[in-house]
Amino acid sequence: QKEVEQNSGPLSVPEGAIASLNCTYSDRGSQSFFWYRQYSGKSPELIMSIYSNGDKEDGRFTAQLNKASQYVSLLIRDSQPSDSATYLCAVNMWEGGSYIPTFGRGTSLIVHP
Amino acid sequence: EPEVTQTPSHQVTQMGQEVILRCVPISNHLYFYWYRQILGQKVEFLVSFYNNEISEKSEIFDDQFSVERPDGSNFTLKIRSTKLEDSAMYFCASQKTSSYNEQFFGPGTRLTVL
Repeated sequence: QKEVEQNSGPLSVPEGAIASLNCTYSDRGSQSFFWYRQYSGKSPELIMSIYSNGDKEDGRFTAQLNKASQYVSLLIRDSQPSDSATYLCAVNMWEGGSYIPTFGRGTSLIVHP
Repeated sequence: EPEVTQTPSHQVTQMGQEVILRCVPISNHLYFYWYRQILGQKVEFLVSFYNNEISEKSEIFDDQFSVERPDGSNFTLKIRSTKLEDSAMYFCASQKTSSYNEQFFGPGTRLTVL
């Protein structure tokens, strides 16, 4: 069974701190990786995509990918209370002849003032 | 900014009834998806659709489910003979091309089966 694993949390950080969210995946052949933010009762909102090993920065967000370790992370700098949400890691995994989007259970982030 | 829309936002139905959930993907997108999220659980892939046919489907997507693109804009998910365990949020997503894998989600339809 191909899986995407995340710590469910909650991860609690003070306002202004760096929040670090982690994700591991089982399919070594995966090529596309995504971070989504989901507020309670809302739909997933795409934050970052990453396809190559290394870091990718977009504003306060940095995605990091290490394919050898099958590990992808998301750093949120200068965390704000509005960043409090569940962060979903998604990986396109090869299944039955094509890539299937597979989501982790998500990590709950709480940013307290 | 273009967005995916879904109707209705909330659908209540009796067990055994058929429901149709509707989605309007972003207009220049070519790939369409349905996902399900049972309360408190992870987002689960149901089906992908491209060029007017199903590309992939998960084990969840059995004969109870069907998808259709009846015209140039709508993308529907039909659930026949609904069961209590079909109660969930159903999300539609669209993707521009196969090269750009970013998917954009609609706001979802909450399905409640009584």
